[in-house]
Amino acid sequence: EAQVTQNPRYLITVTGKKLTVTCSQNMNHEYMSWYRQDPGLGLRQIYYSMNVEVTDKGDVPEGYKVSRKEKRNFPLILESPSPNQTSLYFCASLSGGHPNTEAFFGQGTRLTVV
Amino acid sequence: AQSVAQPEDQVNVAEGNPLTVKCTYSVSGNPYLFWYVQYPNRGLQFLLKYITGDNLVKGSYGFEAEFNKSQTSFHLKKPSALVSDSALYFCAVRDPTGGSYIPTFGRGTSLIVHP
Repeated sequence: EAQVTQNPRYLITVTGKKLTVTCSQNMNHEYMSWYRQDPGLGLRQIYYSMNVEVTDKGDVPEGYKVSRKEKRNFPLILESPSPNQTSLYFCASLSGGHPNTEAFFGQGTRLTVV
Repeated sequence: AQSVAQPEDQVNVAEGNPLTVKCTYSVSGNPYLFWYVQYPNRGLQFLLKYITGDNLVKGSYGFEAEFNKSQTSFHLKKPSALVSDSALYFCAVRDPTGGSYIPTFGRGTSLIVHP
């Protein structure tokens, strides 16, 4: 079954404690992306990756890092989380060779930073 | 640059009535257009897409969307709404002439279907 898997689904942490949200896809997609979803603001892109070792900033990259060492994995790293990073996060993947295809989303990670 | 706008934050409709969720877009070439639905505590799920051909496309759960090039719109429609259609709906665009092929999403429209 084609899927994007995010972990954890829920996370409560304290300010400044480094954390990683994992994302893995099993569709051999070239493109992967991270979004955050906040009330009234819709989906905002944090970072995206066009292939292994190729990443770029989205609209709201401050305070986040990513890496793409393998095609299937695209972890989101918060080196020093702050309360304004409390949000719902989604990972997505899509085929790069076929731009007419749809994106696949993970189930989301609800992060609370206290 | 590509962009998409969903002018309504919320749409309210009675069960059994037709529904429309609006979307307009801006791209430099011919667009690839998508609708996604998000149910509570779930990720976004693909509903339907327009790539080329017939301007009326049909998708999952009885939804359809009409592509209108002159009005740069791609409105989502359903002839008869169900309470279970209540969810958050996102329109997205991909510009096939762009370099990254990453889609741009609208801000989302909350659809509330009243019994």
